Amino acid sequence: GAGVSQSPRYKVAKRGQDVALRCDPISGHVSLFWYQQALGQGPEFLTYFQNEAQLDKSGLPSDRFFAERPEGSVSTLKIQRTQQEDSAVYLCASSLGVFKYFGPGTRLTVT
Amino acid sequence: KQEVTQIPAALSVPEGENLVLNCSFTDSAIYNLQWFRQDPGKGLTSLLLIQSSQREQTSGRLNASLDKSSGRSTLYIAASQPGDSATYLCAVFGQLTFGSGTQLTVLP
Repeated sequence: GAGVSQSPRYKVAKRGQDVALRCDPISGHVSLFWYQQALGQGPEFLTYFQNEAQLDKSGLPSDRFFAERPEGSVSTLKIQRTQQEDSAVYLCASSLGVFKYFGPGTRLTVT
Repeated sequence: KQEVTQIPAALSVPEGENLVLNCSFTDSAIYNLQWFRQDPGKGLTSLLLIQSSQREQTSGRLNASLDKSSGRSTLYIAASQPGDSATYLCAVFGQLTFGSGTQLTVLP
């Protein structure tokens, strides 16, 4: 595709449910990033992949958060046993060089 | 830990006005700084990227400056238009540390 796509665009989950958020980066982009953006705040870094290798996961807030990119293209961010504080927009970005290209995000609401 | 602050949090101006958005960061050892635009319900669009060795970058009506020694960057928007209404975010490169943004409204 022409840009980074994310699915679903909106997700409502009941507290305690597991969710999986998908990111399709721009074809050929080596680097992939996940960010979490709370309402009224700037995005905060979660994790970074270079191809299939997860090089930095220092921003993941707890062990309930898990990300993978098994074939170096599509990535999935999984949140287990969701809690209300997980409600946010989850943004994915990919890059080949310095510029990062962001997807539209997935808005997660935990009720 | 790098901290990025943007002031003001919100700004409303009449159409045609020139304006300046401010961004400050605590660690001057940055690699580069990037300004983004975010429209409601959409992702971030990169506007300008300034390498650490540069002092400014220009694109159309936008001009971004960088002063590493004082830990500041500004985004200048000339002749603002209603279509410029959005949230503007600055981010310091590495994994990108973002400010919380300035929500700009340009009134027709």
